[in-house]
Amino acid sequence: QTVVTQEPSLTVSPGGTVTLTCASSTGAVTSGYYPNWFQQKPGQAPRALIYSTSNKHSWTPARFSGSLLGGKAALTLSGVQPEDEAEYYCLLYYDGGQRVFGGGTKLTVL
Amino acid sequence: QVQLQQWGAGLLKPSETLSLTCAVYGGSFSGYYWSWIRQPPGKGLEWIGNINHSGGTNYNPSLESRVTISVDTSKNQFSLKLRSVTAADTAVYYCAREGWGGTPGYYYYYMDVWGKGTTVTVSS
Repeated sequence: QTVVTQEPSLTVSPGGTVTLTCASSTGAVTSGYYPNWFQQKPGQAPRALIYSTSNKHSWTPARFSGSLLGGKAALTLSGVQPEDEAEYYCLLYYDGGQRVFGGGTKLTVL
Repeated sequence: QVQLQQWGAGLLKPSETLSLTCAVYGGSFSGYYWSWIRQPPGKGLEWIGNINHSGGTNYNPSLESRVTISVDTSKNQFSLKLRSVTAADTAVYYCAREGWGGTPGYYYYYMDVWGKGTTVTVSS
């Protein structure tokens, strides 16, 4: 069974920069996995941030960016705001129409 | 602006069948995949499966034996049935829209619109 791994938790200071990563048990993550990133706050549905590695939705703040880094998908937050404290999930697309979410990263802004 | 409205029974007994429906308002129903995702209490997201407007489906292999996703294009609705539920199926269930596009050499896939979620509890 395919497993997608994210850092369980990260802490960043307000105004700082942090990078979250997303790895696949099948090997290096490439653009062909079409990485998506979501933000979820307590009691809310997930909100889409990034699709297909680095594309932003119209509502995605400019401080969020996506990339590939060292065989993983990455989400970078630059100039972190207190409201960015949330759980972040990546989603990878696999052959055969399969999609697999990562376990999530709890981001604390402190 | 596309909105997804979902509903279904929130309390089930073990061995019963979970049944949820998601209605699509304010946008096209064709040309997209329509997904179900769940989130057990305090845990992460799990993709259950999806369907397109023609009825083509993809399922999570770990759930495939118990899951059926269907579509009613006349109502712009899609539904989830999960048979023989246990306490492990207790979760918030979300519906979501999946899109794709691009040109040869560059394609993109996204999951952009989500329902508010339905809490389903399985308890005897």
